[in-house]
Amino acid sequence: SALPQPPSASGSPGQSVTISCTGTSSDVAGYNYVSWYQHHPGKAPKLIIYEVSKRPSGVPDRFSGSKSGNTASLTVSGLQAEDEADYYCSSYAGSNNLVVFGGGTKLTVV
Amino acid sequence: QVQLVQSGAEVKKPGSSVNVSCKASGGTFNNYAISWVRQAPGHGLEWMGRIIPLLGTTNYAQRFQGRVTIIADKSTRTAYMDLSGLRFEDTAVYYCARESGKWDLPHWGQGTLVTVSS
Repeated sequence: SALPQPPSASGSPGQSVTISCTGTSSDVAGYNYVSWYQHHPGKAPKLIIYEVSKRPSGVPDRFSGSKSGNTASLTVSGLQAEDEADYYCSSYAGSNNLVVFGGGTKLTVV
Repeated sequence: QVQLVQSGAEVKKPGSSVNVSCKASGGTFNNYAISWVRQAPGHGLEWMGRIIPLLGTTNYAQRFQGRVTIIADKSTRTAYMDLSGLRFEDTAVYYCARESGKWDLPHWGQGTLVTVSS
């Protein structure tokens, strides 16, 4: 089943917001293969964090990832209007269901 | 630059099957897995399965076992996802995505809307 994420998060422009993703020893806690995706409605998801804390080329350093135990976190600093989107974590989950996504968090920039 | 182009929208009857294609250009096709991910209306992203084109090996999410088949044609650099026994709740946008080798998905197709309707 999906990794639990808060359904919503919000912040004002310039503020920081952190989104959590809770897993188990079989996924998040067991491997350093946590990714985060930004998804604007009607567009394809975009990879913004991989291997827990690495950023693909072109992704602003306002986006950062971390992990502690079975919880991974995405922090968006210096919020901008264009950051308003759905955010999904995903993790490698071993040989049964190789990849599992989080339930998604809708980020609103108010 | 890797680009993935998917086939167009489909409308299917319950109980039928749908086949969605995903043609890759740029980059290496054979060595990196192609995953299929779907998003039903009002729901989140859901991983369905993957194939490594070079080996033809597949892995499927448990909930789709027996209903989904993923194949890859190395000669045309195209992956296919076939979903059978369609139900109304299979109505979704289906995406293909190419992995990087680190269980992440940096390259995505544009998505294909599959509508199951009687």
